[in-house]
Amino acid sequence: DAGVTQSPTHLIKTRGQQVTLRCSPKSGHDTVSWYQQALGQGPQFIFQYYEEEERQRGNFPDRFSGHQFPNYSSELNVNALLLGDSALYLCASSLTASPGDSNQPQHFGDGTRLSIL
Amino acid sequence: AQSVTQLDSQVPVFEEAPVELRCNYSSSVSVYLFWYVQYPNQGLQLLLKYLSGSTLVKGINGFEAEFNKSQTSFHLRKPSVHISDTAEYFCAVSEADTGRRALTFGSGTRLQVQP
Repeated sequence: DAGVTQSPTHLIKTRGQQVTLRCSPKSGHDTVSWYQQALGQGPQFIFQYYEEEERQRGNFPDRFSGHQFPNYSSELNVNALLLGDSALYLCASSLTASPGDSNQPQHFGDGTRLSIL
Repeated sequence: AQSVTQLDSQVPVFEEAPVELRCNYSSSVSVYLFWYVQYPNQGLQLLLKYLSGSTLVKGINGFEAEFNKSQTSFHLRKPSVHISDTAEYFCAVSEADTGRRALTFGSGTRLQVQP
């Protein structure tokens, strides 16, 4: 049973470029969340997708956008990259059992390490 | 909004000794509480969670945590650590009754187990 898979594992970009990161959720999961983890810090919530729509968003600028596909996989897009965007980007998936159910644990992938030069 | 404070950035401990990693949270609504572990170059793995019921929660790898509502704490404990427990540990919360599932993490505690 495959867990959460992310690609690529590492990526190097320069300031001003755009990047797309990809995530396949754990089998049976329908909800995908993205987190940014700067070096030496805890992960920070970017946004969450369910039924192909953004359901919740953290305090990140509009340069950060996402998408969820019918097969539940997801992409994170970041435009106009800044040096401060260098971080480990983590994808987490979970199963939304019911509209008010928030106790399903999130399963994390190993992340994509993005370096901005 | 919620916030999580992990009081120790690093905790050195000798192998087979007990350990406690401290976590305090602040929230205006009821929360669920979690502990995750992160090994080098890996993602986060769930150790345990508190949703409701008994305030003492047992998790994987011999870890347990106790929820104290009056002190807004959720400290992680293990009676005897192993070298393999060396990792970064994160405490996290999410809103309990709103359907908002975002996790708010603390800044992490690095557990360093020495032989």
